[in-house]
Amino acid sequence: GAVVSQHPSRVICKSGTSVKIECRSLDFQATTMFWYRQFPKQSLMLMATSNEGSKATYEQGVEKDKFLINHASLTLSTLTVTSAHPEDSSFYICSATLPVPSGNTIYFGEGSWLTVV
Amino acid sequence: AQRVTQPEKLLSVFKGAPVELKCNYSYSGSPELFWYVQYSRQRLQLLLRHISRESIKGFTADLNKGETSFHLKKPFAQEEDSAMYYCALSGPGSARQLTFGSGTQLTVLP
Repeated sequence: GAVVSQHPSRVICKSGTSVKIECRSLDFQATTMFWYRQFPKQSLMLMATSNEGSKATYEQGVEKDKFLINHASLTLSTLTVTSAHPEDSSFYICSATLPVPSGNTIYFGEGSWLTVV
Repeated sequence: AQRVTQPEKLLSVFKGAPVELKCNYSYSGSPELFWYVQYSRQRLQLLLRHISRESIKGFTADLNKGETSFHLKKPFAQEEDSAMYYCALSGPGSARQLTFGSGTQLTVLP
């Protein structure tokens, strides 16, 4: 079945540095991908919608200058956490939709654990 | 605004007992409802969606528009059903932006 892959699965970075997380659709093209954030024992919160070839759409309260999203190709979206701080430590998950006629099924990446020290 | 409510954070049942995970939603329109499952250390995966009206791993869920509910049920729980379950909602369109409930951790005891 369709697979969405994230890399890295775990990353530790120093406070003040930037870190990039990749989300790839491995065997299908995704014009739209979504980035979620999940705190421990909490639900997934949508951060932004990543649109291939155009600017991402951010949810209210998400700083677009801090969470840079680039969707340069139909199979890759990247999330860059700039000037990371410990409060940015979280589990970041991306998803992509396998379009009709495959039923608009949503597939999730395996997630990326970010720890800012 | 769209919202998904899962009132139970934790639910424990014994093996072989029936299980029901509750989900209520609010949405002005015709949403599509999903149940996602996350087994320990695995990615989130689709369990079922209301438009398919199918049974996956013995689980079923019926959309009740009058009660705005989409409860997940299984008549006989198995230990391997222990996982985190998320109810989610999507509006119309092909993009599939999801709004998730807070999740219910199901533990099936031997």
